[in-house]
Amino acid sequence: GESVGLHLPTLSVQEGDNSIINCAYSNSASDYFIWYKQESGKGPQFIIDIRSNMDKRQGQRVTVLLNKTVKHLSLQIAATQPGDSAVYFCAENRNYGQNFVFGPGTRLSVLP
Amino acid sequence: NAGVTQTPKFQVLKTGQSMTLQCAQDMNHNSMYWYRQDPGMGLRLIYYSASEGTTDKGEVPNGYNVSRLNKREFSLRLESAAPSQTSVYFCASSENSGQPQHFGDGTRLSIL
Repeated sequence: GESVGLHLPTLSVQEGDNSIINCAYSNSASDYFIWYKQESGKGPQFIIDIRSNMDKRQGQRVTVLLNKTVKHLSLQIAATQPGDSAVYFCAENRNYGQNFVFGPGTRLSVLP
Repeated sequence: NAGVTQTPKFQVLKTGQSMTLQCAQDMNHNSMYWYRQDPGMGLRLIYYSASEGTTDKGEVPNGYNVSRLNKREFSLRLESAAPSQTSVYFCASSENSGQPQHFGDGTRLSIL
């Protein structure tokens, strides 16, 4: 389930289950969104992106869903593995601007 | 191909000391960025450089200066460090504005 930790929301899932990580974005004018994965001690790593003219985009084991009506983005990870344990955060951008606005992140914990 | 390289990885300073964080990218990217990451918060943009020869303030520029030395290198300087600047600093680059950013592994800075 999902719980609020001291600093970050945490999602704990069993290995092999599917994970869904959610993000509420702030600007209705944002037209480009990225999901990043950040492992402990490392910099953020690009996972998948989506533009506002799409509702869904699939990658390898990951799917991003965009609901512009409620300004909501989700990242689905299929068959979650221990190597998926990390902090995931979304970033939004408008009109190819320099500034991406990053969410605070969700910590994904994969249980054996 | 190293991507984005940051030095140093760790640093401890006393209040009032100065230091420069170095960043270099080998992807021939035009745009470079400096962020800070604090517990429970998303990445916040300090300064960015849209292209060689230009720099602009981001969300939290106070207490920092930057130099885009050439296309590869973008440095961040703290002139008089304060405890509030204790954070993890990330440098990033992208081919152009509004495109996915590639991050270094960060500099962990503590100011006593």
